[in-house]
Amino acid sequence: AQSVAQPEDQVNVAEGNPLTVKCTYSVSGNPYLFWYVQYPNRGLQFLLKYITGDNLVKGSYGFEAEFNKSQTSFHLKKPSALVSDSALYFCAVRDYNTDKLIFGTGTRLQVFP
Amino acid sequence: DAGVIQSPRHEVTEMGQEVTLRCKPISGHNSLFWYRQTMMRGLELLIYFNNNVPIDDSGMPEDRFSAKMPNASFSTLKIQPSEPRDSAVYFCASSFSSRTTEAFFGQGTRLTVV
Repeated sequence: AQSVAQPEDQVNVAEGNPLTVKCTYSVSGNPYLFWYVQYPNRGLQFLLKYITGDNLVKGSYGFEAEFNKSQTSFHLKKPSALVSDSALYFCAVRDYNTDKLIFGTGTRLQVFP
Repeated sequence: DAGVIQSPRHEVTEMGQEVTLRCKPISGHNSLFWYRQTMMRGLELLIYFNNNVPIDDSGMPEDRFSAKMPNASFSTLKIQPSEPRDSAVYFCASSFSSRTTEAFFGQGTRLTVV
């Protein structure tokens, strides 16, 4: 079965510093991977996805993610964090057989001024 | 398009009552997902429809939960009878039916069962 794991419940970073939110995946077949962000009392918003091609994927709000097949990882990154980036971040994978969208447990990002 | 529309945004009900949550997906999308979010269990996929047909309902907690999609523009999630442990935020999401496409989420329904 397809799955993603987010090993960190929370990530703390100072404003202006680079940030990384980790995600590893386990799939059969080609991985179709996604990152979403959830602000308080809101639904999830799509940030970016990896389908095929370049391992570095660029998305909304200056975020990017690096696909690494050998490490089965898809970490979310941003060169310079903003306080407004503080939110809950979810990694997700689209099941190869059924197309259903399966989410990780989420990582809370806290950016301090 | 107005995005995925869920109603109501908030629902408070007494234990034992029937609760119906509603979702209007984005026009043209043919996949629809119902998720439940709680602090303890995170984001759980309850049921997944493709072309109005339930494909996977393995996440539905028990027989008290049921979901329907009578047409491409409407879906309901019903809980009967409701229990306090059903209190959560319920999200509906829709997408095109392709594993390469992202899903779009509604704002959610916050359900409180007292």
